[in-house]
Formats: sequence, C-alpha cells, structure tokens
Amino acid sequence: DVQLVESGGGLVQPGGSLRLSCAASGFPFSNYSMTWVRQAPGKGLEWISYITRTSYTIYYADSVKGRFIISRDNAKNSLYLQMNSLRDEDTAVYYCVRSIGYWGQGILVTVSS
Amino acid sequence: EIVLTQSPGTLSLSPGERATLSCRASQSVSSNYLAWYQQKPGQAPRLLMYAVSTRATGIPDRFSGSGSGTDFTLTISRLEPEDFAMYYCQQYGTSLWTFGQGTKVEIK
Repeated sequence: DVQLVESGGGLVQPGGSLRLSCAASGFPFSNYSMTWVRQAPGKGLEWISYITRTSYTIYYADSVKGRFIISRDNAKNSLYLQMNSLRDEDTAVYYCVRSIGYWGQGILVTVSS
Repeated sequence: EIVLTQSPGTLSLSPGERATLSCRASQSVSSNYLAWYQQKPGQAPRLLMYAVSTRATGIPDRFSGSGSGTDFTLTISRLEPEDFAMYYCQQYGTSLWTFGQGTKVEIK
C-alpha cells in the first residue's frame, strides 16, 4: 500500500524556519513527481510546490516563492520542504501528495509568537 | 493560473436527497483533468472522482461526475449520512494544481 508520512511540524515563531519531511513507501518513489499542498485552519486547499522525479523541474506558488525550498532524496524515499521566513499566514496542515489520489495524513505547522 | 469556482458554498439537504455540486473553471481544463475530493474534519482529502467522471477505487456508484471544458458537476444521487462533508474540485492538467474553495454539504 502507498504510504506517505509527514513529520517535522510544530510551533515556530514568525521569521523562523522549519523543515518538513515526508517518508514514502509502498511504491517506487523515484518514479513519481511529488507535491506539497497545505490547508490553513478552516480554509480550503492550496497547492504550494511541485518537484519532478529527478528534481530537474520545481515550481512554487507565489505565496511561498523565495521562502520555501522543496527537495527530495530518492535513495531515502523522502520528500522535504524547507520553510524559511515563516509568517502567521503559513499556519496550516501540510500534506505530502504523490499524485491526485495519494495524500499523507498531514502535519500541522503553527507560526505564532 | 486556472481559477476554480464552486457553487453553492453550502448545500443543506436531507438524507436520501440528491446533491448537485458545481465547479466552474476560468479557462478550459486540459484533457479534462478534473477531480473531486471529499474531506471530513481532521482527515486528509479523499479522492472521489478523476478525469471528470471516473470513480476512484472503492467509491460507491451514487457518486457521479460530468462536464467538460469549463463546467463540471458532481452528483450524489441519494445522500447517505456519511456523505455530509466538504467537497473540493481540483484541476491537475498542469503541474500547478488549483482547487475550488469548496462546497459544504450539511444536514438540513
């Protein structure tokens, strides 16, 4: 079975940094592009970043461009999201997504002083 | 960026009734790469439909999808108690996915 397990969330002050990880299993991770999606409390879903299989192509939403960095380690079957210069509005549940039907359970990031 | 607009924002219905949810795109969705998700509080979104009208694995046939181009519909033929939830449409025709703002189906 496909499994995606996020970790690394928590409480961070505005301006701080956090690194999310997503451990993938049950499928050939290196064969798939990956995506991060987030959901602020009580709000809808927001696509934030995409990375191809080899990391050759990367995209970011304007809301996180220049602050967040997506990366992957195919040898470790892992996806990452380095989040810098965090703002209150980055508070959300962050989901690791393989393709449209395969989502992790999500990890909460709270940015607050 | 393709903007998806869902309507209505809230649908108040009784179990057994038919639910019709709309999703309108600001431009044509490439290759009809349009999906629908159901989300309940505290859970990750669950894929219901992809490619407009193909049900995901394990989704009951009371759920159906239709439409093309810029106008899409999710229909739940007879609402079951477990169907009261939030529903989102999503376009995945580009790598920069976009989602509708959601329709809440609530018990009347």
